[in-house]
Amino acid sequence: EVQLVESGGGLVQPGGSLRLSCAASGFNFRSQAMSWVRQAPGKGLEWLSVISGRGGSTYYADSVKGRFTISRDNSTNTLYLQMKNLRAGDSAIYYCAQGKTGTQIDNWGQGILVAVSS
Amino acid sequence: QTVVTQETSLTVSPGQTVTLTCASSSGAVTHAYYPNWFQQKPGQAPRSLIYSTANTLPWTPARFSGSLLGGKAALTLSGVQPEDEADYYCLLYYGGAWVFGGGTKLTVL
Repeated sequence: EVQLVESGGGLVQPGGSLRLSCAASGFNFRSQAMSWVRQAPGKGLEWLSVISGRGGSTYYADSVKGRFTISRDNSTNTLYLQMKNLRAGDSAIYYCAQGKTGTQIDNWGQGILVAVSS
Repeated sequence: QTVVTQETSLTVSPGQTVTLTCASSSGAVTHAYYPNWFQQKPGQAPRSLIYSTANTLPWTPARFSGSLLGGKAALTLSGVQPEDEADYYCLLYYGGAWVFGGGTKLTVL
């Protein structure tokens, strides 16, 4: 059974940084692309970033390019999202997501809340 | 900036069939956009239903199907059940990056 468990969220001040983690299990982590998606309160889903299985390819949404960095550690089956220069508009539930191929999303974590406020 | 457009809301009666669509501002949606569809109920994480236009996942109820229709991606629910009331999102692939549609709120009355 695929399990994705996010951690590292919380309250951060504007301009601050935060690193989210996603612990993965139940599948061959190193062979599959992983993504981050967020959802602001009362809003729709927003795709943020994807990283290939080996970590050699990454893509970002324009809204986070240059501020967020996706990475992975295939030795510990962990996905990361380093977020810097955070703004109030980054407040959201952040989900990690997994897909068997780079063109699908199959499973989602339960999400972690990030609140950016002074 | 690419925009993916879905119906804002739809209302359907139990047992009826409803089709949700997903359009791209860059032109007709084709299989090369690998459309994915997701269901989200209040307070829950999204659940994947369809990938690569029409492929289902092991937990996808048989009444859900995906297709291309008139230059858009489409999600059809045949024989809607009360538990299908939810928000539905499509996701399109743009050569590396992805873009979600704004979501369709499906009400079953």
